[in-house]
Amino acid sequence: AQTVTQSQPEMSVQEAETVTLSCTYDTSESNYYLFWYKQPPSRQMILVIRQEAYKQQNATENRFSVNFQKAAKSFSLKISDSQLGDTAMYFCAFMKHDSGTYKYIFGTGTRLKVLA
Amino acid sequence: DVKVTQSSRYLVKRTGEKVFLECVQDMDHENMFWYRQDPGLGLRLIYFSYDVKMKEKGDIPEGYSVSREKKERFSLILESASTNQTSMYLCASSSLGGEAFFGQGTRLTVV
Repeated sequence: AQTVTQSQPEMSVQEAETVTLSCTYDTSESNYYLFWYKQPPSRQMILVIRQEAYKQQNATENRFSVNFQKAAKSFSLKISDSQLGDTAMYFCAFMKHDSGTYKYIFGTGTRLKVLA
Repeated sequence: DVKVTQSSRYLVKRTGEKVFLECVQDMDHENMFWYRQDPGLGLRLIYFSYDVKMKEKGDIPEGYSVSREKKERFSLILESASTNQTSMYLCASSSLGGEAFFGQGTRLTVV
């Protein structure tokens, strides 16, 4: 069974600094997608970044980038120049093809607090 | 602006009541999902649907059922609410192979 592990329940970072959130996953599939989602205190979950497993190049979205290590099954999120608005729960997710459709498996989340 | 809308943000129900949580999406997505979010446990899949009238059990379907009569609407039903179903419920939708879009969540308290 596929699993997603986030080993850091809570983290904090000073404003303008860089922080890295860890995620590992377990799968026997070769084609899949990985995501990082952000859930601010207002609760609406939004997509931060997406990585296709067949792409070797790491995805980047402005201040957010990933370090995707397929062989190690690792998918970490780096936030550069942290801002107060980055304070949120961050969930790593794995998407797999199942029963003719796609399912998402989420990690337990990392609560990030950006300090002024 | 794409939207997934859940009918209530906060809900308080009594033990034994039948509870309906409604979710509507306006993106013509095939897939819809119901998750339960609890501290330290992340998001756990209750049920999902990949087409009208089609449903599949997720990881924790016990005590829940779902209904999808129209493509845009996916309902979660608690047949007889219990206190251990007090939780945050999140609805999501996606196209085939696409990212998931989430609703704002419903905080359900069963007393």
